[in-house]
Amino acid sequence: GQQLNQSPQSMFIQEGEDVSMNCTSSSIFNTWLWYKQDPGEGPVLLIALYKAGELTSNGRLTAQFGTTRKDSFLNISASIPSDVGIYFCAGPGLDSNYQLIWGAGTKLIIKP
Amino acid sequence: SQTIHQWPATLVQPVGSPLSLECTVEGTSNPNLYWYRQAAGRGLQLLFYSVGIGQISSEVPQNLSASRPQDRQFILSSKKLLLSDSGFYLCAWLADTGELFFGEGSRLTVL
Repeated sequence: GQQLNQSPQSMFIQEGEDVSMNCTSSSIFNTWLWYKQDPGEGPVLLIALYKAGELTSNGRLTAQFGTTRKDSFLNISASIPSDVGIYFCAGPGLDSNYQLIWGAGTKLIIKP
Repeated sequence: SQTIHQWPATLVQPVGSPLSLECTVEGTSNPNLYWYRQAAGRGLQLLFYSVGIGQISSEVPQNLSASRPQDRQFILSSKKLLLSDSGFYLCAWLADTGELFFGEGSRLTVL
């Protein structure tokens, strides 16, 4: 079945640094979703991408829908302490509009 | 606007006891609803989804069951909890845009 490979698995960064993470697949996706999950809470949608090549920003966050439709990137500029959490990519499966395929998540940790 | 709520937020249950987690959605009709489980520090595992009243699809064999007695209500249950049922349970609904919106989560600890 379809899979999303998300990397890196975790990141240790200094406050103020830029962050980049990505999601790749061997099959195409028509929608890419990026979520953030704070500890003890449900994931919250950050950015949704619907067109190949699309570049969308949400404050300090920027995400891109890869032109091959097989990858997506999320960048965070000038990280701050509240950016810590787990970031997930997701997209609807080609054979089912009812289910999302999820990446395993990227855990962002800011060094004190 | 649409909202989704689930409860209880946390619970501690002994092995062998029953479980009932409830999820309700407001502001939308006939939503697709989902139950996910998340082990500590891990990704999301889809347990059940429902496209309508009484319609439940199970993704993995397990000790849990789901029911949808009303259009906007989705319930996760177990007759006898196992230690391995501990985790963070998330209810979600699917918008027409393909975006999934989650509830606040229910943390279950089985002792």
